Amino acid sequence: NAGVTQTPKFQVLKTGQSMTLQCAQDMNHNSMYWYRQDPGMGLRLIYYSASEGTTDKGEVPNGYNVSRLNKREFSLRLESAAPSQTSVYFCASASSAKGEAFFGQGTRLTVV
Amino acid sequence: DQQVKQNSPSLSVQEGRISILNCDYTNSMFDYFLWYKKYPAEGPTFLISISSIKDKNEDGRFTVFLNKSAKHLSLHIVPSQPGDSAVYFCAASVDYKLSFGAGTTVTVRA
Repeated sequence: NAGVTQTPKFQVLKTGQSMTLQCAQDMNHNSMYWYRQDPGMGLRLIYYSASEGTTDKGEVPNGYNVSRLNKREFSLRLESAAPSQTSVYFCASASSAKGEAFFGQGTRLTVV
Repeated sequence: DQQVKQNSPSLSVQEGRISILNCDYTNSMFDYFLWYKKYPAEGPTFLISISSIKDKNEDGRFTVFLNKSAKHLSLHIVPSQPGDSAVYFCAASVDYKLSFGAGTTVTVRA
């Protein structure tokens, strides 16, 4: 079982470049999430999608956009990357509102 | 404004002893509380959860306690094992929004 798959695993961007982080899950989960992990800050919620067709802002949405393409896929877009967006990004999915989520392996993004 | 707080960045414990991790929250609307474990270069994995209507949940060596009046929860690991060395995140959920704390790094000494 693949679970939650994120691509790419590593990426280096120049300031001002754009890119999309892809996430797909094969567990038929309704809700999906994007987090960033920074030293001392833990996991901070960027955006989430409670179900197909809905998206909501999390704690740190500025500079990001998301698309819930279908039930399986939830992408995160950086329109104009900034060094402050250097981080490890995690995608997750869950079957219910209880919060028992499955995470991908992460994408390590560096913006120079 | 972080609604889930873990004030201890690290914890060192001897193998076989109890590990106690603490977490505080500010949003009284949270209805589920969870603990996740994370190894380096991997995504977090779900460990144990508790509903807001309960005050204790046990799963093997792991027990989570919830004190709603104090807006505080804790995770007890007994006995601690070397494989428990990891980062532990406290999390809370309301209406599908899942928020995490900053994490506590646990080191189990032989």
